[in-house]
Amino acid sequence: NAGVMQNPRHLVRRRGQEARLRCSPMKGHSHVYWYRQLPEEGLKFMVYLQKENIIDESGMPKERFSAEFPKEGPSILRIQQVVRGDSAAYFCASSPGINQPQHFGDGTRLSIL
Amino acid sequence: DAKTTQPTSMDCAEGRAANLPCNHSTISGNEYVYWYRQIHSQGPQYIIHGLKNNETNEMASLIITEDRKSSTLILPHATLRDTAVYYCIVRVAELRGGSEKLVFGKGTKLTVNP
Repeated sequence: NAGVMQNPRHLVRRRGQEARLRCSPMKGHSHVYWYRQLPEEGLKFMVYLQKENIIDESGMPKERFSAEFPKEGPSILRIQQVVRGDSAAYFCASSPGINQPQHFGDGTRLSIL
Repeated sequence: DAKTTQPTSMDCAEGRAANLPCNHSTISGNEYVYWYRQIHSQGPQYIIHGLKNNETNEMASLIITEDRKSSTLILPHATLRDTAVYYCIVRVAELRGGSEKLVFGKGTKLTVNP
């Protein structure tokens, strides 16, 4: 029973490039959450999605960031025109439904040169 | 979501029980207490959660006081691999799914010593 799979584990981008982070939820889970952890800080919620719908994006920066969870395939967190401040660990979690424990992947570490 | 207060750090001897406290004095009746831990460079790992009754699973026990204003996570026989940051989180549970986001504080850095 595979857990939440995130790829790539490490991603290096130059300023101005695009970063695409992928998350495959656990089997049977239709709810996906993205969190960001800046160096030496706690995790901060970004966005909550169900299949083809964004439910809560209250933690997403208003510009350059977008997320999707299509009917088929993984959830994607997309960061356009990356800046140095986007360097962080990005974690995805999934759950089978509302009010259920969220299970996390091991994250994507994004480094901006 | 209610705010939680945890000690910054704790130490425990290998093989002994680790008791991690958490205060959540403003918790509401429909808020659950969740515990996660994060081992260095890994994603947070779900441990246990509860509403008002004590809970136990293969990883840990959760003791919630009768007034629900505090709780204690117990690792019965700590090992070196239990060294991690432990997060206590309160999370509202609503019929339609309320605030599904988890609000992480600074947690307790538990160090298990040989």
